[in-house]
Amino acid sequence: GAGVSQSPSNKVTEKGKDVELRCDPISGHTALYWYRQSLGQGLEFLIYFQGNSAPDKSGLPSDRFSAERTGGSVSTLTIQRTQQEDSAVYLCASSLGTPGTGPGGYTFGSGTRLTVV
Amino acid sequence: GQSLEQPSEVTAVEGAIVQINCTYQTSGFYGLSWYQQHDGGAPTFLSYNALDGLEETGRFSSFLSRSDSYGYLLLQELQMKDSASYFCAVRDLSGGYQKVTFGTGTKLQVIP
Repeated sequence: GAGVSQSPSNKVTEKGKDVELRCDPISGHTALYWYRQSLGQGLEFLIYFQGNSAPDKSGLPSDRFSAERTGGSVSTLTIQRTQQEDSAVYLCASSLGTPGTGPGGYTFGSGTRLTVV
Repeated sequence: GQSLEQPSEVTAVEGAIVQINCTYQTSGFYGLSWYQQHDGGAPTFLSYNALDGLEETGRFSSFLSRSDSYGYLLLQELQMKDSASYFCAVRDLSGGYQKVTFGTGTKLQVIP
């Protein structure tokens, strides 16, 4: 597609429920990243995909968090047994090849605002 | 690991010039990027410096000094729409591949 698409844009869930967040990167972008941004804070790295592989998942905060990418395209971030501290905006970004290179850098999606009540 | 420091908030007057500084500590440095994020919006890429010196793109310029581990974003002829958060991000080699780490952001408020 023309840009990075994320769905849903907003998600309210009850504590303890599982949620799935979806990211559809720019067509042809081999690298995909998930970041988390709490209110008024910076971007916290979660996981990086190159193709379908995740060379770096060091930012996932706990084993409740997992992510996968299929067909070198769409990625899903799953949070199990959600907690209130999981409330944040989850941003997905993609780039062509090596992360952040070239004139375009990362292209971010508009994010999913997750609220755990 | 990587660490970046930038001021948390800056206020400047419409029409003026403002400089947002960023210092970083990292190994295997490749380059420094800047991103703009309006409230409720997605970060958008502004600039990337891999070599020392100044890169100019319209009203925005970005500077890098690798020997000082320092860079800045310069915004000229400030407009109200420039009110946003600005993030520096360092690209370096970590765990055998290149990785980008973001700073905590500088909230710029442009006042009339």
